[in-house]
Amino acid sequence: NFMLTQPHSVSESPGKTVTISCTRSSGSIASTYVQWYQQRPGSAPTAVIYESDRRPSGVPDRFSGSIDSSSNSASLTISGLKTEDEADYYCQSSDFNNHAEVFGGGTELTVL
Amino acid sequence: EVQLVESGGGLVQPGGSLTLSCAASGFTFSSHWIHWVRQAPGKGLVWVSRINSDGRSTSYAASVKGRFTITRDNAKNTVYLQMKNLRVEDTAVYFCARLSGFFDIWGQGTMAIVSS
Repeated sequence: NFMLTQPHSVSESPGKTVTISCTRSSGSIASTYVQWYQQRPGSAPTAVIYESDRRPSGVPDRFSGSIDSSSNSASLTISGLKTEDEADYYCQSSDFNNHAEVFGGGTELTVL
Repeated sequence: EVQLVESGGGLVQPGGSLTLSCAASGFTFSSHWIHWVRQAPGKGLVWVSRINSDGRSTSYAASVKGRFTITRDNAKNTVYLQMKNLRVEDTAVYFCARLSGFFDIWGQGTMAIVSS
C-alpha cells in the first residue's frame, strides 16, 4: 500500500501561478498514472488532469500536470489564477497490487 | 445525457444496514467499471469499492471489506452497494463514478448517516 500526501492548503493572488504537490510514499510515482480532480463546495469532483499530464476536453490549458521522479511526486500547476479556480484539489493513482485506488488528502486552494 | 444518479442514502443506527444504488444512463453501461468513493463531512475523498464491467470481479478498501458488497445489474444499468454492520465512521456522502482511464463521470452523491 502507498499513500499520496498533499499540502493541506495553498493560496495565491489572481493572475499568479500556483503549484500543488502530491508525494507518493512508496513505489515509483512514474509506475502508475496520476489524475487530478477539482471539487467545489457541494459538488462532485471533476477531472482536470489525467494520465499525469493530459487535460480532459473542456479544461483550459491554464491547468497542467507533471511528475518528478527525483522527489517521487506529481504536481498540478494552475497559471493565470482566477477566483473560479478556488476549490479543493485531489490527486489520485491506482494501486494495482491491491486492486484499489488511492486519493491524496486534498488541497484547499484559495485565490485572493 | 451521460449521467450517474445515486440513491438510497439515509439515517441508520450503528450496526444497521443500507443499500445504495447508482443508476446509469446515456452510455453503454455494461462496458464500464464502476467505483464507489465516499467523503465524510469536511473530509477528503476515500475510495471504497469497484466492480468490473461484467460483475465478476470486485475489490474493497480494507476499512469496509467483509461489511460492504458491490454488485451490478447490467439489464437495469445499475450498481448497488450493500452496506452492513454500519459504523459511525461510515457516515459520508457516497459517490459512484465511471472509470474510463480516469473517473470521468461522477454522480451527485447520496448521504449515509450512521448515528444513534
